[in-house]
Amino acid sequence: GENVEQHPSTLSVQEGDSAVIKCTYSDSASNYFPWYKQELGKGPQLIIDIRSNVGEKKDQRIAVTLNKTAKHFSLHITETQPEDSAVYFCAASIYNYGQNFVFGPGTRLSVLP
Amino acid sequence: DAGITQSPRYKITETGRQVTLMCHQTWSHSYMFWYRQDLGHGLRLIYYSAAADITDKGEVPDGYVVSRSKTENFPLTLESATRSQTSVYFCASSEGPEQYFGPGTRLTVT
Repeated sequence: GENVEQHPSTLSVQEGDSAVIKCTYSDSASNYFPWYKQELGKGPQLIIDIRSNVGEKKDQRIAVTLNKTAKHFSLHITETQPEDSAVYFCAASIYNYGQNFVFGPGTRLSVLP
Repeated sequence: DAGITQSPRYKITETGRQVTLMCHQTWSHSYMFWYRQDLGHGLRLIYYSAAADITDKGEVPDGYVVSRSKTENFPLTLESATRSQTSVYFCASSEGPEQYFGPGTRLTVT
């Protein structure tokens, strides 16, 4: 079955710097890769996603890149702000209705003022 | 727009007790999911449902029972709670590739 690894487990950056979180997956059939942000005491919130027919996707300060050959994808956050502090999860799945996500273990991002 | 809600938000129960966690969504999404979140494991799928009366096991189904008599509700029952089931439980729903999560239920089994 699918296995998703995520690094680093914790990341501290200065406000205004960039943050990068990397994930690798094992199943070459996976073709949908969402990223979730989880704030303390809340449920995960979808922030961006990418499908395997796209190499990069941007949404304001957030971008995701995908390398299908190497089976890894990354989340990039530019101009970090204190409100970006949270736990970030990547996931991989085979795109379909109701597909089962396999999540990475999470990265705790701290943005220091 | 309530979206997806879970109740209770916090629950303390004793070993061996039956506990039911509730999940309700207002979007009429076909798919619903139950995950548990434990430190170091991320989110792991317990059960999911494709429609009313259709359910299937996920990665960690042992000790849990689900039902889905109505599209909008997807309760999760721990028939005889164990300490290893102390966790944060999240419900999610989807009608496409994206899944939308509820606020979670923190369950402690003593």
